Amino acid sequence: GAGVSQSPSNKVTEKGKDVELRCDPISGHTALYWYRQRLGQGLEFLIYFQGNSAPDKSGLPSDRFSAERTGESVSTLTIQRTQQEDSAVYLCASRSSGGASETQYFGPGTRLLVL
Amino acid sequence: KQEVTQIPAALSVPEGENLVLNCSFTDSAIYNLQWFRQDPGKGLTSLLLIQSSQREQTSGRLNASLDKSSGRSTLYIAASQPGDSATYLCAVSHGNKLVFGAGTILRVKS
Repeated sequence: GAGVSQSPSNKVTEKGKDVELRCDPISGHTALYWYRQRLGQGLEFLIYFQGNSAPDKSGLPSDRFSAERTGESVSTLTIQRTQQEDSAVYLCASRSSGGASETQYFGPGTRLLVL
Repeated sequence: KQEVTQIPAALSVPEGENLVLNCSFTDSAIYNLQWFRQDPGKGLTSLLLIQSSQREQTSGRLNASLDKSSGRSTLYIAASQPGDSATYLCAVSHGNKLVFGAGTILRVKS
């Protein structure tokens, strides 16, 4: 079946502009994650959605970052007033309802470059 | 705070060699440990997942071990091939999220 999809695949923006990144999880997956990967580094957790529970926002680096999820489907990550240090690959992952012991399935990522 | 470290940061081997990638983590309170592969410009592919109650998992030429008490895992790749060239990431499931190491960049020379 279809995997996790993300759009756009690449985004170039000017410093100070807002950007919106989209994630379509695997159908039926109740958990959704956003991660950030800076060049040459591992993935950093940003935010986690599980069903109708309040999201875990503990990884968001500043109040310029926010994310929403519509039910158990699409999620958008918004970065306001982008800065050059926001340049990174933003990866989305989804997981079934089986709990934290289950694997996460990753999308191909959105490569963001802030000039 | 959970921290994951991977050694070496980069590795270059001739085709056919067996190799070991290392991963260590500071907090043994994990649900599972996963090894992922990441190819340039692409997302992550899960290779092996070891539950906290397990000691190892095998898939083809790959074998991953887990010693939770010492906070260590190894990924063993047998008879390496040029197609194995990629970045290998180790991640532990800690609470609701995965905590990743910085990865090992593997190059297998033909």
